[in-house]
Amino acid sequence: GEDVEQSLFLSVREGDSSVINCTYTDSSSTYLYWYKQEPGAGLQLLTYIFSNMDMKQDQRLTVLLNKKDKHLSLRIADTQTGDSAIYFCAEYDKLIFGTGTRLQVFP
Amino acid sequence: DAGVIQSPRHEVTEMGQEVTLRCKPISGHNSLFWYRQTMMRGLELLIYFNNNVPIDDSGMPEDRFSAKMPNASFSTLKIQPSEPRDSAVYFCASSFGQVAGFGPGTRLTVL
Repeated sequence: GEDVEQSLFLSVREGDSSVINCTYTDSSSTYLYWYKQEPGAGLQLLTYIFSNMDMKQDQRLTVLLNKKDKHLSLRIADTQTGDSAIYFCAEYDKLIFGTGTRLQVFP
Repeated sequence: DAGVIQSPRHEVTEMGQEVTLRCKPISGHNSLFWYRQTMMRGLELLIYFNNNVPIDDSGMPEDRFSAKMPNASFSTLKIQPSEPRDSAVYFCASSFGQVAGFGPGTRLTVL
């Protein structure tokens, strides 16, 4: 079946860039998403990329997609303490989520 | 615009009781998803509907779990009988094309 995998933890210093990686198996995915979940809260859609694109930039967020390797990444520029959360990638057609990466930002 | 609406937000029940979780998707969305989130298992897709029809329920853990979508604006997830290991946060999401939204979740505690 479809699978989406992420590393579990990432720690960065405030002001540095963060890069969160994701691999997926379903080559028929039409969209790939990044969601953010803060403690005790629901999931907030950050951005998404269509499968025929290889890059999308949205303010501090840059999404890179390598469709050949089925690899997706989210780069957060100038990471702030408010960016501390769990980040999920997800693939659509079935909206399968990865395990989530807990990003911790140190001042 | 209203987002995905879930009720109740919190549910505490005793083992063996029936639990019904409710979801109202975003108007115009044609796909609906139910997820369960726990520390141990992360975010699991339980079932999803397209145009009110269940497409894939392979994530439903046991026959104690059932889901319905009688119309485009309402879905239920029922657990009967409930067990302590069902304690989790249950999320509903809806989508139309690339636009997807999540509800705030129902935190279920089964004692």
